[in-house]
Amino acid sequence: KAGVTQTPRYLIKTRGQQVTLSCSPISGHRSVSWYQQTPGQGLQFLFEYFSETQRNKGNFPGRFSGRQFSNSRSEMNVSTLELGDSALYLCASSLGGLVHNEQFFGPGTRLTVL
Amino acid sequence: DAKTTQPNSMESNEEEPVHLPCNHSTISGTDYIHWYRQLPSQGPEYVIHGLTSNVNNRMASLAIAEDRKSSTLILHRATLRDAAVYYCILRVQGAQKLVFGQGTRLTINP
Repeated sequence: KAGVTQTPRYLIKTRGQQVTLSCSPISGHRSVSWYQQTPGQGLQFLFEYFSETQRNKGNFPGRFSGRQFSNSRSEMNVSTLELGDSALYLCASSLGGLVHNEQFFGPGTRLTVL
Repeated sequence: DAKTTQPNSMESNEEEPVHLPCNHSTISGTDYIHWYRQLPSQGPEYVIHGLTSNVNNRMASLAIAEDRKSSTLILHRATLRDAAVYYCILRVQGAQKLVFGQGTRLTINP
């Protein structure tokens, strides 16, 4: 069974631009969560989508948004990029039910903002 | 979100057991204890989870204190591949959100 895939793996943008990252979950998984990882703040939860609906949201500004499609694939968008948005962005998928399913993480997208 | 406290780093030798401690004194009755680890240049991966009883799987064992205020992840025979950052996480039943702390960086000496 294929794992979680994220595209692109690396991205370089400049301040003020916007960026869209993509995540394809494991087949059959309906929940996709996004995390930001930086050396200073560690791993921080951005949001979670389940069946095309945002179910949970972390403490990030509105410049960070996401969506999920009917095939469970998810995209994350960051508008008006700032230098501090440079980070590794990870997505994780799970079955998403009330039972404690493990989350499977992708390899991440490394975003550099110049 | 309930917090966990872990040592910043630990070191062990190959083929020896490793005990990684975690304190979670503010744990609530519905919080499950999860452990994930992150190998270099990879996303985190699930290790084990439990609620009240000790748990074993092919990767590790989880020992949970009777009052649930602390737990210990046990790697029975460490290999070089176990060098990673280990995260102890409290997770509310049904919630997908994982709240990561700083974790413990485990170094394995050959």
